Amino acid sequence: KQEVTQIPAALSVPEGENLVLNCSFTDSAIYNLQWFRQDPGKGLTSLLLIQSSQREQTSGRLNASLDKSSGRSTLYIAASQPGDSATYLCAVFNFGNEKLTFGTGTRLTIIP
Amino acid sequence: DGGITQSPKYLFRKEGQNVTLSCEQNLNHDAMYWYRQDPGQGLRLIYYSQIVNDFQKGDIAEGYSVSREKKESFPLTVTSAQKNPTAFYLCASSVTKGQGGTGELFFGEGSRLTVL
Repeated sequence: KQEVTQIPAALSVPEGENLVLNCSFTDSAIYNLQWFRQDPGKGLTSLLLIQSSQREQTSGRLNASLDKSSGRSTLYIAASQPGDSATYLCAVFNFGNEKLTFGTGTRLTIIP
Repeated sequence: DGGITQSPKYLFRKEGQNVTLSCEQNLNHDAMYWYRQDPGQGLRLIYYSQIVNDFQKGDIAEGYSVSREKKESFPLTVTSAQKNPTAFYLCASSVTKGQGGTGELFFGEGSRLTVL
């Protein structure tokens, strides 16, 4: 059974710093990995999707990497801003089924 | 604008009542999903559907029911058999891998159900 872990559960950094969020998974037979952002009381917004054949994806100040062999993904946020404050979740899509397995998220606070 | 619409955003019900949450999408996606989110826990899959008139149980289907009569719509009924129904419910859709999609999920804004 796939298990997805995100550590730390919460992170606070000063504005302007670069930061990395971590995601690990136990079963490397994945089809893709997706990073989401969730603001309080809202739905999830898709940030980046990495296919299993890819190593990384970039969108603006965000860069996500994938290392299937070690079961890890990182989300790099450059030049953080207060508007980046949110909970970030990763989720993996395994071969053989049609559903995502989610981590419990990292709650990020950017301090002005 | 294309997207996923969930309604109502907030819902209060008494114990023992069935409630139905609406989910409509105009993205022309074949697959639709219902997730439940509780504080401190990851999202858990309730039901999913990859095609009209077909759906499968997820990890926590007990006490819930769904229908998929139209491609655009995937309503979720929370029945009185659900022991702890108070939660945040999220609907999502995607183009499936089988249909040549990436499997990327797009979510609605959620419905918060409180059972009094």
